[in-house]
Amino acid sequence: GQQVMQIPQYQHVQEGEDFTTYCNSSTTLSNIQWYKQRPGGHPVFLIQLVKSGEVKKQKRLTFQFGEAKKNSSLHITATQTTDVGTYFCGGGSTLGRLYFGRGTQLTVWP
Amino acid sequence: DAGITQSPRYKITETGRQVTLMCHQTWSHSYMFWYRQDLGHGLRLIYYSAAADITDKGEVPDGYVVSRSKTENFPLTLESATRSQTSVYFCASSEGNSPLHFGNGTRLTVT
Repeated sequence: GQQVMQIPQYQHVQEGEDFTTYCNSSTTLSNIQWYKQRPGGHPVFLIQLVKSGEVKKQKRLTFQFGEAKKNSSLHITATQTTDVGTYFCGGGSTLGRLYFGRGTQLTVWP
Repeated sequence: DAGITQSPRYKITETGRQVTLMCHQTWSHSYMFWYRQDLGHGLRLIYYSAAADITDKGEVPDGYVVSRSKTENFPLTLESATRSQTSVYFCASSEGNSPLHFGNGTRLTVT
């Protein structure tokens, strides 16, 4: 079955440092979606990537989708304490299902 | 999101009891999903539904039953709860490959 692997599982950074999380799938994905979950909250949609090699930016966040549509990354430049949370990637299949990686829990020290 | 609600928010039940978690969405989304979230495992898909009366298994369906007689409701039933089913359960809805909208979750404890 489809598997989505995400690394690292935890990341601790000082405010102002950069952060990157990586997502890899065993199969080609129809799309990839990124979500953020604040402590005690529910996952909230950040962005969806559909095209091979696609790069999208949201302020300090940069999302990439690999050429083979099997991997993706989320990079945050100059982290802030508001970036704290767990970031999940979800790999979409043609059947509408979304399989998530285990998430990367980001802690930011002030 | 106000458009998808889960109930109850918290539930404590005993081993062997049947318990049903409710999920209701107001967007008329075709797809609905149930995920469980456990430390170290992220979000794992239990069951999903592509439309009313159409359901299919996800990654971890054992011990769970779902139904979808109406588009807006997608209840999840634990027929005989076990301690390993202690978890946070999230319901979500979407239209095809569009983004998922998650409910606030149900924290279930099985004693």
